[in-house]
Amino acid sequence: DAGVTQSPTHLIKTRGQQVTLRCSPKSGHDTVSWYQQALGQGPQFIFQYYEEEERQRGNFPDRFSGHQFPNYSSELNVNALLLGDSALYLCASSLGSGQETQYFGPGTRLLVL
Amino acid sequence: LAKTTQPISMDSYEGQEVNITCSHNNIATNDYITWYQQFPSQGPRFIIQGYKTKVTNEVASLFIPADRKSSTLSLPRVSLSDTAVYYCLVGLPSWSGNTGKLIFGQGTTLQVKP
Repeated sequence: DAGVTQSPTHLIKTRGQQVTLRCSPKSGHDTVSWYQQALGQGPQFIFQYYEEEERQRGNFPDRFSGHQFPNYSSELNVNALLLGDSALYLCASSLGSGQETQYFGPGTRLLVL
Repeated sequence: LAKTTQPISMDSYEGQEVNITCSHNNIATNDYITWYQQFPSQGPRFIIQGYKTKVTNEVASLFIPADRKSSTLSLPRVSLSDTAVYYCLVGLPSWSGNTGKLIFGQGTTLQVKP
């Protein structure tokens, strides 16, 4: 049973570019949440998708958008990249959205130059 | 959501018991306390969750006093592989119908030495 998978593992972009990160949830899970983790900080909630809709959003600008597909996989898109967007982007999947049921993927390390 | 406060870092030696305390003075009546572990370049991993008194699983124990304003994660006989960041979170569990996000603080970096 595969856990949460994310791609790519690493990515380098330049300021102003756009990036798309992908996440496949754990088998049987229907909810996907995205988090941004800056170096030395805890993960910060970006948004959560359920039934192909954004259910809840954290304090992130509209440059951050997402999508969930019918097979529950999800994408995170970031437009007009800034240097400060450099971080580890984590995807968490769950059946429901409580604290104990969220399983995290290994993350995508994004570096913006 | 209740804010949590943890020590920034802790050091220990292999074989010792480690106790990490988290303060959550504003915890709500229905909130649960959850601990996550994160290794470098990996996503956080659920360790344990509790509401009051003591909870134990194969990995750790969680002690919660009667006033619930703090909690202590206890790791018995740590090894080098327990070196990680440990996060304390407070909020509602999934079975309550919670649709909330996870709120992480800075966590406690535990360094286990040989």
